[in-house]
Amino acid sequence: GAGVSQSPRYKVAKRGQDVALRCDPISGHVSLFWYQQALGQGPEFLTYFQNEAQLDKSGLPSDRFFAERPEGSVSTLKIQRTQQEDSAVYLCASSPNVATNEKLFFGSGTQLSVL
Amino acid sequence: DAKTTQPNSMESNEEEPVHLPCNHSTISGTDYIHWYRQLPSQGPEYVIHGLTSNVNNRMASLAIAEDRKSSTLILHRATLRDAAVYYCILRDVSQGGSEKLVFGKGTKLTVNP
Repeated sequence: GAGVSQSPRYKVAKRGQDVALRCDPISGHVSLFWYQQALGQGPEFLTYFQNEAQLDKSGLPSDRFFAERPEGSVSTLKIQRTQQEDSAVYLCASSPNVATNEKLFFGSGTQLSVL
Repeated sequence: DAKTTQPNSMESNEEEPVHLPCNHSTISGTDYIHWYRQLPSQGPEYVIHGLTSNVNNRMASLAIAEDRKSSTLILHRATLRDAAVYYCILRDVSQGGSEKLVFGKGTKLTVNP
């Protein structure tokens, strides 16, 4: 079956531009995570949803970062007024139900380059 | 979040076993040990997880020390497709524990033909 799908695969933005990154989780998965991965580093947690509820946004680096999942399926990560330090791969992951220690399924990510 | 320590890199030869170590001396009783790997240009992929007993699946084996302060991921016969960064992660599943996975830098495994 289909895995986690992220779009676009690559995004080039000019500094100051707003961007929106989309994540289509596996159908029926309750939990959804966003991670940011800088070159040569491990993924860093950004935010977590259980259905449409954003339960943890402690990893969002600034108020320029905003995530939503209005109907409990597709999620969008929005970055306003992008800066060069926002250049990274943004990974989305979903899980059937985190509370039962289920594994996470990751997408291939969106590579964002801010010029 | 409980911390893990892994070597930055390791090398192996194709078709030989690989033992990837992980130290987690501050592990708590409710922490599960998870392993993920990340192939180039892909997102992380689940490998295996365990609590106390050794675990086996089609991808790998997980050997957990009796005191749980260390563990070893075992790839029985490395292939070129196993070249990846391997992450050892502690996950607290107790009530009130964080649901997120906290990644370190992992171990970059190189497999030589």
